[in-house]
Amino acid sequence: DQQVKQNSPSLSVQEGRISILNCDYTNSMFDYFLWYKKYPAEGPTFLISISSIKDKNEDGRFTVFLNKSAKHLSLHIVPSQPGDSAVYFCAAKSSGNTGKLIFGQGTTLQVKP
Amino acid sequence: ETGVTQSPTHLIKTRGQQVTLRCSSQSGHNTVSWYQQALGQGPQFIFQYYREEENGRGNFPPRFSGLQFPNYSSELNVNALELDDSALYLCASRQGLSQETQYFGPGTRLLVL
Repeated sequence: DQQVKQNSPSLSVQEGRISILNCDYTNSMFDYFLWYKKYPAEGPTFLISISSIKDKNEDGRFTVFLNKSAKHLSLHIVPSQPGDSAVYFCAAKSSGNTGKLIFGQGTTLQVKP
Repeated sequence: ETGVTQSPTHLIKTRGQQVTLRCSSQSGHNTVSWYQQALGQGPQFIFQYYREEENGRGNFPPRFSGLQFPNYSSELNVNALELDDSALYLCASRQGLSQETQYFGPGTRLLVL
């Protein structure tokens, strides 16, 4: 039972253009969502997050959009840079303090110079 | 500020053996979670420790156990290793139960032969 899904295993964009990474979820009890970036041989690095009471959060080149009715969130990277090439994971947390994050399978982003 | 560190970086064990993985949380963080990441998948929550007690657990058998010490560092112990335990084991810390964002270490790559 995959509660968080990233349906695109990979994405390739040109440097300077927009990258859009998508994530769908099934559990309406999720109250917080996060995006992580992972390079090979490193742990996931926190990028940006959003609470379920908001529909948009922006931090520099990164913007996360949340559509609760569609149970969908997306990460926009503008402009994309070659250093953004990595695996991107979305994660969701249920209300409560157990610390359990549920991750999608990841999307590999390649930004071409 | 020191980030999350883990040791060892790599480990090879044989089926049936026991293993202990270690994690030092980020400075000021008293809550530690452990995740297992199989190849090509997102991380899966094993358990969380807060104030030296387990207070959240994922779908992992009892042979996965842990400890948290007064300095908030943590150990993950796995008994009776199976081939399917081969994975990247990630530790994440946060500054208390009310903080939503978890910060990950670089992980320990375990190979079970």
